[in-house]
Amino acid sequence: EADIYQTPRYLVIGTGKKITLECSQTMGHDKMYWYQQDPGMELHLIHYSYGVNSTEKGDLSSESTVSRIRTEHFPLTLESARPSHTSQYLCASSDVGSQFFGPGTRLTVL
Amino acid sequence: ILNVEQSPQSLHVQEGDSTNFTCSFPSSNFYALHWYRWETAKSPEALFVMTLNGDEKKKGRISATLNTKEGYSYLYIKGSQPEDSATYLCAPRLFRAGTYKYIFGTGTRLKVLA
Repeated sequence: EADIYQTPRYLVIGTGKKITLECSQTMGHDKMYWYQQDPGMELHLIHYSYGVNSTEKGDLSSESTVSRIRTEHFPLTLESARPSHTSQYLCASSDVGSQFFGPGTRLTVL
Repeated sequence: ILNVEQSPQSLHVQEGDSTNFTCSFPSSNFYALHWYRWETAKSPEALFVMTLNGDEKKKGRISATLNTKEGYSYLYIKGSQPEDSATYLCAPRLFRAGTYKYIFGTGTRLKVLA
């Protein structure tokens, strides 16, 4: 069973609030990823990291930011949430093979 | 093909039926092909990873094949069971913008009726 965790699982928040979505893995993987998925759509890569102090933007433009200060931790921050940020956010990690996914955070911005 | 296409989008089958899905992807800059199963309220779970043209993988009643020259992969489920109900995602890993990236399809949603 994959050891990758995301909190919170569900978040309903008002416009303009700052939020941080947490992602942690205990597998020692160097590579970590954030995906965004809207209902019925593909998983879109918004951020990735290949190690500590390394972060890159993904294919889908996102107003969120990420940090990678520790190998096991890859939080995603939205400075000012808007209704357009309503979506599901999935975190994943990998070594050389398949990715392991967390359970996701379903974010609703009112 | 510029993106990843999966068909059908959704499928309802009776328990015991066998079924198959298709994943089409760009054949250039190909590195590997991943299949995932995503059950409702759970995390996507890796099923297979294949790299070579002609690869076949099998896990219980589920198997997959890969054609890298023409850019497609098939996933087969033999004797479907209700617990097979899930969304099946394929994700080729392609070289784009200087790095290898997983590009996900929209998935095939399978519902197996008891």
